[in-house]
Amino acid sequence: KNQVEQSPQSLIILEGKNCTLQCNYTVSPFSNLRWYKQDTGRGPVSLTIMTFSENTKSNGRYTATLDADTKQSSLHITASQLSDSASYICVVGGSNFGNEKLTFGTGTRLTIIP
Amino acid sequence: DTEVTQTPKHLVMGMTNKKSLKCEQHMGHRAMYWYKQKAKKPPELMFVYSYEKLSINESVPSRFSPECPNSSLLNLHLHALQPEDSALYLCASSQVGILRGPNTEAFFGQGTRLTVV
Repeated sequence: KNQVEQSPQSLIILEGKNCTLQCNYTVSPFSNLRWYKQDTGRGPVSLTIMTFSENTKSNGRYTATLDADTKQSSLHITASQLSDSASYICVVGGSNFGNEKLTFGTGTRLTIIP
Repeated sequence: DTEVTQTPKHLVMGMTNKKSLKCEQHMGHRAMYWYKQKAKKPPELMFVYSYEKLSINESVPSRFSPECPNSSLLNLHLHALQPEDSALYLCASSQVGILRGPNTEAFFGQGTRLTVV
């Protein structure tokens, strides 16, 4: 069964600090791995997308890593800001008869405190 | 324009009502999706349309009826819903054919918050 597991479930850090969120997946066949940021009650917003050949990708203060061999990914947030408070969802894309199916993780709820 | 627009933003309906959710994108994407998201849970795929044809139905009850009248529009018709159907309904789109490409994006709308009373 395709699964995406994220840790920790929730995290609270001080503004300005760095943090790293983890994602393990068992999706097969693997197409790509995405990190999304979702504010409460809003739609997810894409942060990064990586295929199996990419080890790292950055988007501003967000840096995602991917180890396709161990099926692990991480999202590192540098110099956190209050606006980073949100849920961060790891999503793995797999192929289903030519259409991509996205398997969502349960997310990490990040809270930045001043 | 990289927006997926969903209307309405909020909807309250009775169990005997008929309503529709609408989704629109003008990015030329030929795959469109409906997701259902309960509080503190990840989105669950409901339907996928590819080139205006239904390609995936994740065993969704018939009280949810999708429609894709053209390549830019996606509707979700609702009838005889139950209170447990209350959730955030998300529409997304992506470009068919290069879904495995490194720069393929799936864009999500802001969602419709549905409450069934």
